[in-house]
Amino acid sequence: DTEVTQTPKHLVMGMTNKKSLKCEQHMGHRAMYWYKQKAKKPPELMFVYSYEKLSINESVPSRFSPECPNSSLLNLHLHALQPEDSALYLCASSQSGTEQFFGPGTRLTVL
Amino acid sequence: AQSVAQPEDQVNVAEGNPLTVKCTYSVSGNPYLFWYVQYPNRGLQFLLKYITGDNLVKGSYGFEAEFNKSQTSFHLKKPSALVSDSALYFCAVRDTNSGTYKYIFGTGTRLKVLA
Repeated sequence: DTEVTQTPKHLVMGMTNKKSLKCEQHMGHRAMYWYKQKAKKPPELMFVYSYEKLSINESVPSRFSPECPNSSLLNLHLHALQPEDSALYLCASSQSGTEQFFGPGTRLTVL
Repeated sequence: AQSVAQPEDQVNVAEGNPLTVKCTYSVSGNPYLFWYVQYPNRGLQFLLKYITGDNLVKGSYGFEAEFNKSQTSFHLKKPSALVSDSALYFCAVRDTNSGTYKYIFGTGTRLKVLA
C-alpha cells in the first residue's frame, strides 16, 4: 500500500467551529507532515512529526493543533480559524527523509 | 539562506517536442533533490529524486533529470512531451546537513503542452 489517505476531501466551517483533519498511511513511514497550499503556490510546511514526536513547528498559529496518535495516523485540529486559513491542506509521509508521499488533500473553506 | 529557484512560471511546448523545466538550488552540504507533479485539486505526486550516484536520474512517466553540482541545478526533462503532461511541477530539496526532515520547495512551473 503506497497511499496516503486524507479525510474529509472538502470541509466548510465557520470561524467559531472546531473540526479535525485526518491523515493515514500504512507504508511504515516514520515521518509525517502537514502542509498548507494556496492556489498555484508551493506547499508551505506547517508541522513535521518524526517517530510520533513533533520535530518541526513552523511558527503556526495555535488555532492549528497537530496530533500524532500512532505511527500511521496524523490529525490536525482546527479551532477559531480565519477566512485567510482557507486553503488545500496536504498530508505527506516519508521514510528516512527521502521522497515524500502526499495525500490528495483536504480543501478547507472558512466562512 | 537555503532556497530553490524555478525561474519560469510557465513553460509551453508542442506535443512531441522535448521539454525542460529548470530548477536551481542554494543549499549547503549534499542535498537530496526531488521533482513532483501536481494536477488540479490533487496532492503532489513524486516523479524522481537524486540522492547520490549517477547524475542522470530516470523517473516516472518518461521523465528524467540531470544533477549538475557545479551549476547547482537539477533540471527536469522529457524527450517527447504529451498533452497529459500539462500540470504544475515543483522542484524540492532537503538539506541533509540540517538534521531535520524539512524540504524546501520551488515556486512551481506550470507546464502547458499544446496539441
